[in-house]
Amino acid sequence: RKEVEQDPGPFNVPEGATVAFNCTYSNSASQSFFWYRQDCRKEPKLLMSVYSSGNEDGRFTAQLNRASQYISLLIRDSKLSDSATYLCVVNEMGFKTIFGAGTRLFVKA
Amino acid sequence: NAGVTQTPKFQVLKTGQSMTLQCAQDMNHEYMSWYRQDPGMGLRLIHYSVGAGITDQGEVPNGYNVSRSTTEDFPLRLLSAAPSQTSVYFCASSAGGGPEAFFGQGTRLTVV
Repeated sequence: RKEVEQDPGPFNVPEGATVAFNCTYSNSASQSFFWYRQDCRKEPKLLMSVYSSGNEDGRFTAQLNRASQYISLLIRDSKLSDSATYLCVVNEMGFKTIFGAGTRLFVKA
Repeated sequence: NAGVTQTPKFQVLKTGQSMTLQCAQDMNHEYMSWYRQDPGMGLRLIHYSVGAGITDQGEVPNGYNVSRSTTEDFPLRLLSAAPSQTSVYFCASSAGGGPEAFFGQGTRLTVV
């Protein structure tokens, strides 16, 4: 079993749609959680941290369910510019950071 | 701000050749790391460093060496290139342990 698993997609959605990505992690001792965005042939960029209480940044909402070892990212009112690969990232202890393989999103006009 | 700078951006090597991928950051970050990214897989940690003079192995260290003589620089050396090392390599830095806040633009390496 992979330590961090994501649906690879691709998700194809029209502009204005709401789309949700899920991610599961295997180590219950994992300490911190993040979503990164990676554009085609570019480096990953930190999108947002994920907190148990849930957190929002504009059109993006992240949720963490520690009991189910599950992380989600919700994007509302999708824009063409949201097209990218979204990486789920788990930091286990100290410097052990595990990246998921990513979920590809295509937003169409 | 330069951030994290990687060189070269592209490289083709023959099997058995050695080379060094360069990584430099100008943010005075203590933590630096090297990852490789292969299709269908997440980024996998090769080596990391928590400060000058301190390095440690990540998930896939075989075939790679690192050193950290200064805070700014963290080069990755391929000792004897193999086709299995064909990948995209990213260097990253952060002020503390996880998450990697800043990535370089990547080095696309092909070993033939």
